[in-house]
Amino acid sequence: QKEVEQDPGPLSVPEGAIVSLNCTYSNSAFQYFMWYRQYSRKGPELLMYTYSSGNKEDGRFTAQVDKSSKYISLFIRDSQPSDSATYLCAMSRSYNTDKLIFGTGTRLQVFP
Amino acid sequence: DVKVTQSSRYLVKRTGEKVFLECVQDMDHENMFWYRQDPGLGLRLIYFSYDVKMKEKGDIPEGYSVSREKKERFSLILESASTNQTSMYLCATLGNTQYFGPGTRLTVL
Repeated sequence: QKEVEQDPGPLSVPEGAIVSLNCTYSNSAFQYFMWYRQYSRKGPELLMYTYSSGNKEDGRFTAQVDKSSKYISLFIRDSQPSDSATYLCAMSRSYNTDKLIFGTGTRLQVFP
Repeated sequence: DVKVTQSSRYLVKRTGEKVFLECVQDMDHENMFWYRQDPGLGLRLIYFSYDVKMKEKGDIPEGYSVSREKKERFSLILESASTNQTSMYLCATLGNTQYFGPGTRLTVL
């Protein structure tokens, strides 16, 4: 079993839809959770990070962590065609000193 | 802004060639990483380095080596390229989180 599981998609939604992207994990030692966005032929860029359980909001994006269920989510409100990308979750046991464990990525396509 | 640059965006090499992938960062970060990214497998860590001349194996180091002679530069070396090393190679540096370069898409024929 992989440490981090992520549905590869693709996920295709109309513009304006609410998108939910999810990852599950097996290692209860993970404390820091990140979402990266990767456009085609580019390197991943950090979108959001959260510590432990709870929600974090940034504009149209909300990251949610449920440590009891070992489940993290990224919600995108009012999705735009420019949100079309691959979204990777990543997590680590400690901040700034530990290697990241990545999900395989979910490809999202938002059509006009 | 953190800048991580990689020497080539696209590279085509032949089986058995020695291949050098260069990565340079401008933020004086201690930690640097090399990943490869393949469909369905995600990012897999090849090697990382905590300091100059320090290196640690990641999850899939076989067939690769690295060099870190200067803090800002971290090189990945394929000693004898094979077709199963055709992949996207990503370099990253660690500040408050990992910052990635644009990637090198390597094709080994």
